[in-house]
Amino acid sequence: DAKTTQPTSMDCAEGRAANLPCNHSTISGNEYVYWYRQIHSQGPQYIIHGLKNNETNEMASLIITEDRKSSTLILPHATLRDTAVYYCIGSNNNDMRFGAGTRLTVKP
Amino acid sequence: DAGVTQSPTHLIKTRGQQVTLRCSPKSGHDTVSWYQQALGQGPQFIFQYYEEEERQRGNFPDRFSGHQFPNYSSELNVNALLLGDSALYLCASSRGQRGNTIYFGEGSWLTVV
Repeated sequence: DAKTTQPTSMDCAEGRAANLPCNHSTISGNEYVYWYRQIHSQGPQYIIHGLKNNETNEMASLIITEDRKSSTLILPHATLRDTAVYYCIGSNNNDMRFGAGTRLTVKP
Repeated sequence: DAGVTQSPTHLIKTRGQQVTLRCSPKSGHDTVSWYQQALGQGPQFIFQYYEEEERQRGNFPDRFSGHQFPNYSSELNVNALLLGDSALYLCASSRGQRGNTIYFGEGSWLTVV
């Protein structure tokens, strides 16, 4: 599975877009990019995943660079409830290898 | 539609004892994985079950074993508990082994004293 690198922490103002970067330069061609978040040691919550194309759902958008070496998760209008640890994971066989993630703090 | 359910939610065991944790996957899912999450760290993959067989395994000793039943539910067993086994144990399920959405349960908090 691809090793991913994320910033340790980020802040975002409430109502603004939160853009969370992830580097996965060793990702292989058949590995998906998954994003999860975890709030207060609850179970990780699925956000979105993609292979090559950009993806959007009701929670977020995922932008994957053409060379697939990095991606950005976009929360279009962050709320206080989006404060959490966000994990970016590269995987092709459903075993999620979590790193340390990015602790996103949404501030009023 | 119930999501991934785990039991028990909390339990306390003594060093050297054995523990069994249970997981029911989301409806329609046939693949179950188990994770250990120590305080302040990300979840670590233990193993994955598909068609009642262990398909993949992370870097965990043989004290950690599992089982998947014909109805796709699963158990995680840990023998000879150590203090360091204290953690949140998470179960995740998916349909098939590749590329599909993976859903996590809320976990079982294990404290070893």
